[in-house]
Amino acid sequence: GQQLNQSPQSMFIQEGEDVSMNCTSSSIFNTWLWYKQDPGEGPVLLIALYKAGELTSNGRLTAQFGITRKDSFLNISASIPSDVGIYFCAGHLGDSNYQLIWGAGTKLIIKP
Amino acid sequence: DAGVIQSPRHEVTEMGQEVTLRCKPISGHNSLFWYRQTMMRGLELLIYFNNNVPIDDSGMPEDRFSAKMPNASFSTLKIQPSEPRDSAVYFCASSRNENIYGYTFGSGTRLTVV
Repeated sequence: GQQLNQSPQSMFIQEGEDVSMNCTSSSIFNTWLWYKQDPGEGPVLLIALYKAGELTSNGRLTAQFGITRKDSFLNISASIPSDVGIYFCAGHLGDSNYQLIWGAGTKLIIKP
Repeated sequence: DAGVIQSPRHEVTEMGQEVTLRCKPISGHNSLFWYRQTMMRGLELLIYFNNNVPIDDSGMPEDRFSAKMPNASFSTLKIQPSEPRDSAVYFCASSRNENIYGYTFGSGTRLTVV
């Protein structure tokens, strides 16, 4: 089946550092989404991307829809403790199937 | 806006028992999704409703699972009989048709079948 390769699986960073994570696929997507999940909660939509090359920011978060339409990245600038959590990418192929393809998640941990 | 409301938050049941999970989507959202999340398989779409009608149930694991949406403000996911391998966190999510993939997820129901 379709797969999204999300990396890294986990990140240990210092508060104040910038963070970068990405998702790649062998398939072409027409929508990319980035979600964050806190422990004991459902994922929360951070950024949605609908056009190849699109660069969108949400506060300290910036995400881009890759030109090839096969990848996307998420950057977090000047990380703070509340950024801790699991970040998921998800994509839609643009076909009639309503399924989103989900990455396995990137767990962000901030070193004390 | 109270968001997507799921109940119960936690459910522990014995194998073979019937389990019913409940969801109240956000008012005005036309689409409703039931997902299951496990460590091994991540997030899996179980079923999708649009305007209360089931559109895609290809993700429902087997006949033991059933879902209903009798009206725009309520949906249930039922497992009968439950098995230990059904243990997971079950999420309900809703969205508007104009932004169908911009889901709002509920807080989930953590199901443990012993």
